[in-house]
Amino acid sequence: AQSVTQLDSQVPVFEEAPVELRCNYSSSVSVYLFWYVQYPNQGLQLLLKYLSGSTLVKGINGFEAEFNKSQTSFHLRKPSVHISDTAEYFCAVGIAGGYQKVTFGTGTKLQVIP
Amino acid sequence: GAGVSQSPRYKVAKRGQDVALRCDPISGHVSLFWYQQALGQGPEFLTYFQNEAQLDKSGLPSDRFFAERPEGSVSTLKIQRTQQEDSAVYLCASSSPPPRTSGSTDTQYFGPGTRLTVL
Repeated sequence: AQSVTQLDSQVPVFEEAPVELRCNYSSSVSVYLFWYVQYPNQGLQLLLKYLSGSTLVKGINGFEAEFNKSQTSFHLRKPSVHISDTAEYFCAVGIAGGYQKVTFGTGTKLQVIP
Repeated sequence: GAGVSQSPRYKVAKRGQDVALRCDPISGHVSLFWYQQALGQGPEFLTYFQNEAQLDKSGLPSDRFFAERPEGSVSTLKIQRTQQEDSAVYLCASSSPPPRTSGSTDTQYFGPGTRLTVL
């Protein structure tokens, strides 16, 4: 079975500063990796996904993530955050070639401070 | 439709009551998923449908939980004899085309969820 660990439950950051949200996964097979964002009282929205190929993945809203197989990590980064990025971010893992059953982490709340 | 919709958005039930939660997926989406999101946690998989077939129900926590998708579009998640530990947000997601495509996967589109509170 696969699992996901998001080490930080909350991350405060000043507006226009860079941010990194950490995600580590565990799996005995090849995986797909995802980052989702959840705004208050809304469903989850896909930010980006890694399936194969280039380890640097670019997503929406200026976010990117890098797949590091040796460190089993998939950290999310943004060079300059906006107030509107305040939300909860979930990392998720699925089995490569599988039917998309994904396992989510516990989430990281990003608080952007004006 | 424009997106995945769920109803009701909020449901308060007394312990022991039965509840039914509805999901309207994006038109034409073959795959449908239900997740349970407890307070402060990430979503946890409950069950998966491909058209009307329920191919995986391994995440349903007990036999009080039942899901159906009889015509391959709208789905209903039913919880019988609700307990306080059932309080959570129930999320529905849909995707297309069929997921078993070699070397690819398809984006799941999530609905806003139904917040269930059992008193």
